[in-house]
Amino acid sequence: EVQLVQSGAEVKKPGEFLRISCKGSGYNFTSFWITWVRQMPGKGLEWMGKIDPSDGYSNYSPSFHGHVTISVDKSITTVYLQWSSLKASDTAIYYCARLVGGYSRAAFDIWGQGTFITATS
Amino acid sequence: KVLTQSPGTLSLSPGERATLSCRASQSVSSSNLAWYQQKPGQAPSLLIYAASSRATGIPDRFSGSGSGTDFTLTISRLEPEDSAVYYCQQYGSSPITFGQGTRLEIK
Repeated sequence: EVQLVQSGAEVKKPGEFLRISCKGSGYNFTSFWITWVRQMPGKGLEWMGKIDPSDGYSNYSPSFHGHVTISVDKSITTVYLQWSSLKASDTAIYYCARLVGGYSRAAFDIWGQGTFITATS
Repeated sequence: KVLTQSPGTLSLSPGERATLSCRASQSVSSSNLAWYQQKPGQAPSLLIYAASSRATGIPDRFSGSGSGTDFTLTISRLEPEDSAVYYCQQYGSSPITFGQGTRLEIK
């Protein structure tokens, strides 16, 4: 079964470091781009950025560039989303998803279950 | 590229047809437009890609159409489980953007 499994919920303080993960299985991991999407409480979907697991090349939305980092560890088929310094406004559910067909411009066909991040003092 | 969905909320009865609209501020290249369904407490799921192609396992009650700046998701013969928020998305140019969503309620 093709799936993306994300790490569990986190409660952190503003200013702290955080890294969450997304592990792919059931398919050729390096053949499909992975993306991250934010959903703030009660709000819609926002695209953050994407990464090519084959070489680690990443592309970010201007809204998130410089605030988050997307990385990959091919050896364990896992993509990461990290913050060096969280803000309270980072409180949200974060989803990883796979791009259709291995293309860099494609819809998102497989989604992780979501990771709920709470940043509060 | 801003995507504007209408209506904001739609309330219909089982068996009726739902028509959801997505309008882009600029032309969406190569019909690189998708529709997603999100039920409460769940991750979104892909319904339609390339404006009119159904994703794997999606019933033919769901259909997409349109090009350029105007796109439509049609759900025929509504069922109670179709109650959800529906989002359109353009992925043809960066940054990828989503519409604000249409909430579909089944009476």
